[in-house]
Amino acid sequence: DIQMTQSPSSLSASVGDRVTITCRASQGIRNDLGWYQQKPGKAPKRLIFAASSLQSGVPSRFSGSGSGTEFTLTISSLQPEDFATYYCLQHYSYPQTFGQGTKLEIK
Amino acid sequence: EVQLVQSGAEVKKPGESLKISCKGSGYSFTTYWIGWVRQMPGKGLEWMGIIYPGDSDTRYSPSFQGQVTISADKSISTAYLQWSSLKASDTAIYYCARGVYCSGGTCYLDYWGQGTLVTVSS
Repeated sequence: DIQMTQSPSSLSASVGDRVTITCRASQGIRNDLGWYQQKPGKAPKRLIFAASSLQSGVPSRFSGSGSGTEFTLTISSLQPEDFATYYCLQHYSYPQTFGQGTKLEIK
Repeated sequence: EVQLVQSGAEVKKPGESLKISCKGSGYSFTTYWIGWVRQMPGKGLEWMGIIYPGDSDTRYSPSFQGQVTISADKSISTAYLQWSSLKASDTAIYYCARGVYCSGGTCYLDYWGQGTLVTVSS
């Protein structure tokens, strides 16, 4: 199985901050990676597909980059509604695997 | 509008069977994969498996193979996740999600259902 190591596991930041979350794959996965946001009691919401393509309707302060084994999700200027847990998901091979999540909290 | 609507919360006893559902609408149900994802209380997301309703091609994560059965009834645009004998450790929220940009059945999951809470307790 491909292991997705997400870091940090938690992050404390302030409104207006720029934050970066990283996912590292245990082997190359091309750009077959998506990012999701999950708020308490809600289903995950799609943000980024193909590592760097912004899903329609997602604010442009979200961006993704990377290919191969290292990927990042960046939020350029945190807004109050961005405090949530973020997950990456590789869809390069079976079984698909999620990162363990990054909980973004208000400082 | 694409929607995946899941069946309601369930409370079951250990050893009981269960089948939960996920009904798709607003798109061609038979031409997109449907995946299932588990989230145990306070934990992260786990990919369980995926089905292509058009021909019922199904893939499982080794962690869930033999523990659950994924199926679909394309005539009513509904996918299912079922257990023959529940355990307390099956207590979790289960999400279905539509797969797109697929390669051999591995997919980016775009639209998600609202989740079904399954509680297994004696």
